[in-house]
Amino acid sequence: GENVEQHPSTLSVQEGDSAVIKCTYSDSASNYFPWYKQELGKRPQLIIDIRSNVGEKKDQRIAVTLNKTAKHFSLHITETQPEDSAVYFCAAPNTGGFKTIFGAGTRLFVKA
Amino acid sequence: EAGVVQSPRYKIIEKKQPVAFWCNPISGHNTLYWYRQNLGQGPELLIRYENEEAVDDSQLPKDRFSAERLKGVDSTLKIQPAELGDSAVYLCASSLDWGGSYEQYFGPGTRLTVT
Repeated sequence: GENVEQHPSTLSVQEGDSAVIKCTYSDSASNYFPWYKQELGKRPQLIIDIRSNVGEKKDQRIAVTLNKTAKHFSLHITETQPEDSAVYFCAAPNTGGFKTIFGAGTRLFVKA
Repeated sequence: EAGVVQSPRYKIIEKKQPVAFWCNPISGHNTLYWYRQNLGQGPELLIRYENEEAVDDSQLPKDRFSAERLKGVDSTLKIQPAELGDSAVYLCASSLDWGGSYEQYFGPGTRLTVT
């Protein structure tokens, strides 16, 4: 099947707190999981990705974890800043791995 | 290196009129995608090209939408005639190669408003 579910749809945090966004996918053969950030009126841009041969990847304040057994992966943002406010999309390949299915997005608000 | 270029950035048309969008991918990227993004939703694939061949157009409403990628570089997406429900942002993206495991680089999009 082709399904990527993303939660929550909206997340509001205080500056300095952590934010966690979760996604589940349906195809156990999926092997690549990118996260995109889209600021208002701008294009989606890749911020971090993970492949199925690792369980965690970190880049400064951003980390992604992958649980292949449960078929879910999460984005973790620590020490949030107002400029982190944006819509975040997870994605996963469909059955066969020929196209990317995007989640519905999480609108993150970081309050100063 | 220039990113993915799209034009126009904004387009307002009346229903039943035709409209066309243009995309220039990153040089050397074999795969080109057209997505539609409705307000508050994630991008939805309309069509994917491997070089000049359309290899996945299952989500393209073929009665009114058409696309081409001549010479495997630039691409155009056309809607004729446009309907009110076509109002959305049309994103073009490119990646080095095919498949779901390559980073996609998105263009700025064309915001279409059909009145």
